[in-house]
Amino acid sequence: GAGVSQTPSNKVTEKGKYVELRCDPISGHTALYWYRQSLGQGPEFLIYFQGTGAADDSGLPNDRFFAVRPEGSVSTLKIQRTERGDSAVYLCASSLTGGDDPEGGDGYTFGSGTRLTVV
Amino acid sequence: AQSVTQPDIHITVSEGASLELRCNYSYGATPYLFWYVQSPGQGLQLLLKYFSGDTLVQGIKGFEAEFKRSQSSFNLRKPSVHWSDAAEYFCAVGFSNDYKLSFGAGTTVTVRA
Repeated sequence: GAGVSQTPSNKVTEKGKYVELRCDPISGHTALYWYRQSLGQGPEFLIYFQGTGAADDSGLPNDRFFAVRPEGSVSTLKIQRTERGDSAVYLCASSLTGGDDPEGGDGYTFGSGTRLTVV
Repeated sequence: AQSVTQPDIHITVSEGASLELRCNYSYGATPYLFWYVQSPGQGLQLLLKYFSGDTLVQGIKGFEAEFKRSQSSFNLRKPSVHWSDAAEYFCAVGFSNDYKLSFGAGTTVTVRA
């Protein structure tokens, strides 16, 4: 597609429930990133995919968070047993090549995000 | 500790006036530097980036930024703001051997008529 698409745009869930957030990157972009933006903060790195594999998941806060990208395009961020502290905007971004780009990044293209509210 | 600092949480500027947003970083090496803008309900849009070379970088929407190594700063400027420039602005850093971006906390810009 023309841009990075994230669905849903808004999600309200009850504490303890399971949620899935979807990211559809720009066609042909091999690198995909998830960031979390809490209120009043800048985005914080969660996980980076190069193709189908998670090259770096060091930003995932705990084992309730998991992400997949089975075919190297669409990615799903999964959160189990949601907590109120998980409320944030979850941003997805993609780039053409990712970490091996000699200029340190050809520039991400960010999606509009999914606003997750845990009540 | 490594960090990106945007000292101003909120700036109000009159339409037509100039704007400067501050960004300082604290890293051992000179990082790659970026400015992003985020309008309500929108994703982050890249305004400009600095990798090397000329320390004055031109971006989209009439923005420019100047890298000052001695001050570890990368301040964003616009000579004359428009009402549509009201948004949140984020400074970010990256490195050539890394793919993660580290963001500042952001500066919210309000434009008054």
